[in-house]
Amino acid sequence: QVQLQESGPGLVKPSETLSLTCAVSGYSISSGYYWGWIRQPPGKGLEWIGSIYHSGSTYYNPSLKSRVTISVDTSKNQFSLKLSSVTAADTAVYYCAREVVAAEGYYYYYMDVWGKGTTVTVSS
Amino acid sequence: SSELTQDPAVSVALGQTVRITCQGDSLRSYYASWYQQKPGQAPVLVIYGKNNRPSGIPDRFSGSSSGNTASLTITGAQAEDEADYYCNSRDSSGNHFAWVFGGGTKLTVL
Repeated sequence: QVQLQESGPGLVKPSETLSLTCAVSGYSISSGYYWGWIRQPPGKGLEWIGSIYHSGSTYYNPSLKSRVTISVDTSKNQFSLKLSSVTAADTAVYYCAREVVAAEGYYYYYMDVWGKGTTVTVSS
Repeated sequence: SSELTQDPAVSVALGQTVRITCQGDSLRSYYASWYQQKPGQAPVLVIYGKNNRPSGIPDRFSGSSSGNTASLTITGAQAEDEADYYCNSRDSSGNHFAWVFGGGTKLTVL
């Protein structure tokens, strides 16, 4: 059974860098799939932050691209998120998820396994 | 980037059928997937592809798509189905590796 677990500081000061890690168990990241980060501000909807392929290729939300770095460490079977120059607007629950690309004569895409999420508050 | 539009709130009487919709240009190119989120919990995948349910999702959940609109139907809604529902898909506007989410629909079961 694949499980994802986010970890990192729950409080980050404005202008600093938010750093989170997603540990994957039950599946080897190096075997495939895309792996993504999604966030949800308090009382609001879901926002995709970015994704990384097991090979290391990355894809970011254009609105966050200048501040986001996602990396993968296959030796530790985990991937990480760094978001720089944070403000109060970055306060959110941050989720990691596995992204699936499947084909049945046509391609389709979905996020099948999610972590429980970790709350990050940006405040001095 | 593309946008996906959902009604903010929908209600349904216990045991009745409800349809939650999601509209957006990206749905002309990609199937939507649907997620259920209960308060304080992570989203859970309920429908993906043309109309596929992950293991453990009741068969009262079904999906469909036409043009730029995807729909999630709950046939015989139960009290435990009260939750927020989000659609998402790949972005067709340029970066096809990007994802877009709908704003979410709060389902109330009366």
